[in-house]
Amino acid sequence: SQTIHQWPATLVQPVGSPLSLECTVEGTSNPNLYWYRQAAGRGLQLLFYSVGIGQISSEVPQNLSASRPQDRQFILSSKKLLLSDSGFYLCAQSSGDQETQYFGPGTRLLVL
Amino acid sequence: QQPVQSPQAVILREGEDAVINCSSSKALYSVHWYRQKHGEAPVFLMILLKGGEQKGHEKISASFNEKKQQSSLYLTASQLSYSGTYFCGTEGEYGNKLVFGAGTILRVKS
Repeated sequence: SQTIHQWPATLVQPVGSPLSLECTVEGTSNPNLYWYRQAAGRGLQLLFYSVGIGQISSEVPQNLSASRPQDRQFILSSKKLLLSDSGFYLCAQSSGDQETQYFGPGTRLLVL
Repeated sequence: QQPVQSPQAVILREGEDAVINCSSSKALYSVHWYRQKHGEAPVFLMILLKGGEQKGHEKISASFNEKKQQSSLYLTASQLSYSGTYFCGTEGEYGNKLVFGAGTILRVKS
């Protein structure tokens, strides 16, 4: 079965600092990969999704970017963090014919 | 387009039943249900496919009315462990990625 790893688990960063969050997937090949952000007590906001290496679709224009350098690796980045970037960042994957998404454990980011 | 979930929140006592609804303005191919406990990632519960049967396991089941573009999640004889936020994710007829509702907060009290 597939496993999703995310790191770091928690992160505290100052405003204006860069960001790099990593997601790796095991147990499946050529998955669709997703980055979500969840503000405290809120729903799931889709940020980016990818159907293959180097293929990134952005859902919400902002100061974040994503890259997929390998089939099972998905990276979320920022050059300069904003206070509003604080939240719970979730990586998810789907594969096969069905669109069921399975989530990683998440990274909790606090920007001060 | 984001599906609409109702109610936004519900408080139950142990042993009571609850229904969570998910409605879409678009024709649907499938509906997926997830539960997220506080501080954790969402966990997949079940999928309902167009033309498929009502699904369920233990005391949690769901139905999918394709004509009304609606799905309902039924929680029977609720337990403390059922507490969390429930999300539905809908997939349109042409195989697009899931779109999630805003969530329904369920709290079960002893």
